[in-house]
Amino acid sequence: DAGVTQSPTHLIKTRGQQVTLRCSPKSGHDTVSWYQQALGQGPQFIFQYYEEEERQRGNFPDRFSGHQFPNYSSELNVNALLLGDSALYLCASRKKGAPGYTFGSGTRLTVV
Amino acid sequence: DQQVKQNSPSLSVQEGRISILNCDYTNSMFDYFLWYKKYPAEGPTFLISISSIKDKNEDGRFTVFLNKSAKHLSLHIVPSQPGDSAVYFCAASAKEYGNKLVFGAGTILRVKS
Repeated sequence: DAGVTQSPTHLIKTRGQQVTLRCSPKSGHDTVSWYQQALGQGPQFIFQYYEEEERQRGNFPDRFSGHQFPNYSSELNVNALLLGDSALYLCASRKKGAPGYTFGSGTRLTVV
Repeated sequence: DQQVKQNSPSLSVQEGRISILNCDYTNSMFDYFLWYKKYPAEGPTFLISISSIKDKNEDGRFTVFLNKSAKHLSLHIVPSQPGDSAVYFCAASAKEYGNKLVFGAGTILRVKS
């Protein structure tokens, strides 16, 4: 039973560029959340998708956007990359209403 | 505004002894608390959780205690093993906030053999 899968695992981008990260949730899960984890900190909530709509959003600028597809997979897009966007981006999924989340291994984004 | 705090950045424990990791929170709306364990180059792995209606939950070597009046929870690992060495994150959620997780900064646990 595959858990949460994320791609790519590592990515290097130049300041000002745009990036798309992808996530496939665990089988049976319909809700996907994205988190940003900077070095030495805990994961910070970016947003959550359910039924292809953004349901909740954390304190992140509009440069961060997302999408959920009918098969529950999701994308995270970041425009106009800044050096400070360098972080580990984690995708987590759950079944709607359940409090526990399953996390993927993350995408390590480096902005140079 | 850090709603979930883990005040100890690191903890070192001898193999076989008890490890106690602490976590404090400020938001009384939180109704569910979780502990995640994270190894380098991997995502957080769920360890144990507790609902706000309980004060203790046990799963093998892991026990989580919740003190709602003090807004404090702790994770006890007995006995500690070298494979427990990892970063431990405390997280809290509330139905009112869509069950999004609010994490602490983490505690690095080192279990010495």
